[in-house]
Amino acid sequence: AQKVTQAQTEISVVEKEDVTLDCVYETRDTTYYLFWYKQPPSGELVFLIRRNSFDEQNEISGRYSWNFQKSTSSFNFTITASQVVDSAVYFCALSETNTGNQFYFGTGTSLTVIP
Amino acid sequence: ETGVTQTPRHLVMGMTNKKSLKCEQHLGHNAMYWYKQSAKKPLELMFVYSLEERVENNSVPSRFSPECPNSSHLFLHLHTLQPEDSALYLCASSLSLGNVVGNTIYFGEGSWLTVV
Repeated sequence: AQKVTQAQTEISVVEKEDVTLDCVYETRDTTYYLFWYKQPPSGELVFLIRRNSFDEQNEISGRYSWNFQKSTSSFNFTITASQVVDSAVYFCALSETNTGNQFYFGTGTSLTVIP
Repeated sequence: ETGVTQTPRHLVMGMTNKKSLKCEQHLGHNAMYWYKQSAKKPLELMFVYSLEERVENNSVPSRFSPECPNSSHLFLHLHTLQPEDSALYLCASSLSLGNVVGNTIYFGEGSWLTVV
């Protein structure tokens, strides 16, 4: 079973629109971490945020914000006033206590921001 | 500027060639990883090293051979590859293995491999 699900394969928005990327995870652990990464066309996965399972406060960083809801096992990512430079593939990931060797990645959401 | 450096960034090799991908991390981490990313497919974990010891090998064909001489360097030796091995190979590192406070995986820029 997929531990991290990103149901949106591709999204296109027009510049300055807001966009939300969905991430749903599955775990039996009470202690776990969630992550978001950005992969521009150059290839590198750039770390954006880490959130632990005990901190459900939403976080905002500039135009980026994250909504963590344990009740729905979701960790959604919103980009406000999108820009062309936001075009990339975005990955959500999970690390658990009892499977310490692995970071589980979703299949990614490809975001295209149209000028 | 990334703390994980991969070379070469692009590699084209024939099926009978032998080549190596190199990864170096400048973050003082103890764990290093190789991932494969093929077009339209999820990230695939290939190998995991912790303190220079291999701790995970996810059924990767023997034509891929990793080497970790120290905690800062990781190699992926390639020989007699197939065209379907063409992909982006990503190196990554983390402070340690496991779900510890502050443990985050950081990636290099990747090596684009084309097998002809």
